[in-house]
Amino acid sequence: SAVISQKPSRDICQRGTSLTIQCQVDSQVTMMFWYRQQPGQSLTLIATANQGSEATYESGFVIDKFPISRPNLTFSTLTVSNMSPEDSSIYLCSVEIGTGYGYTFGSGTRLTVV
Amino acid sequence: AQRVTQPEKLLSVFKGAPVELKCNYSYSGSPELFWYVQYSRQRLQLLLRHISRESIKGFTADLNKGETSFHLKKPFAQEEDSAMYYCALDPSNTGKLIFGQGTTLQVKP
Repeated sequence: SAVISQKPSRDICQRGTSLTIQCQVDSQVTMMFWYRQQPGQSLTLIATANQGSEATYESGFVIDKFPISRPNLTFSTLTVSNMSPEDSSIYLCSVEIGTGYGYTFGSGTRLTVV
Repeated sequence: AQRVTQPEKLLSVFKGAPVELKCNYSYSGSPELFWYVQYSRQRLQLLLRHISRESIKGFTADLNKGETSFHLKKPFAQEEDSAMYYCALDPSNTGKLIFGQGTTLQVKP
């Protein structure tokens, strides 16, 4: 099954700045998913990233705020732009384990905006 | 609207007692359902998927389409089962998971 390396594991950032989160998978995958987990909340899907095409964003999330890159089949980045304290969350990437086997998650990036 | 509901934020039981973590879903099609577990300081892990009908770490979950439920059960809880449990729905098998709010299971000695 796929193994995901995500970094950084945590960061403290100043408001108004941007942070890029990286997600590396040890095998080629078609789709990669980015989630957000706000404090005390469950996981919410931000967007789906396919290699070679624009990411697809869920309602409430926009490309200007969360630009995503997917340069190849094993790597993706999520940028949190122009951060405010409300962006303080855990951000996670996810990929399919194998067709029909479910989805695995990275260890997450704990972001604190001050 | 597609939704997953886990009505209990916290479930506290004694070691050896039976456990049932409730999950109800709202989806008109054939659901793909999962249970995920997150132990302290560890990443989210897939525990069960309904389609496999398997038992992992003594846990089972049965899909009840009539009641739109996918409750997670274990006959005898162990202290190492203490964790956060999330029920998740994958509408249309797209990988775009919809998570419940999660239930913290606390197993007391």
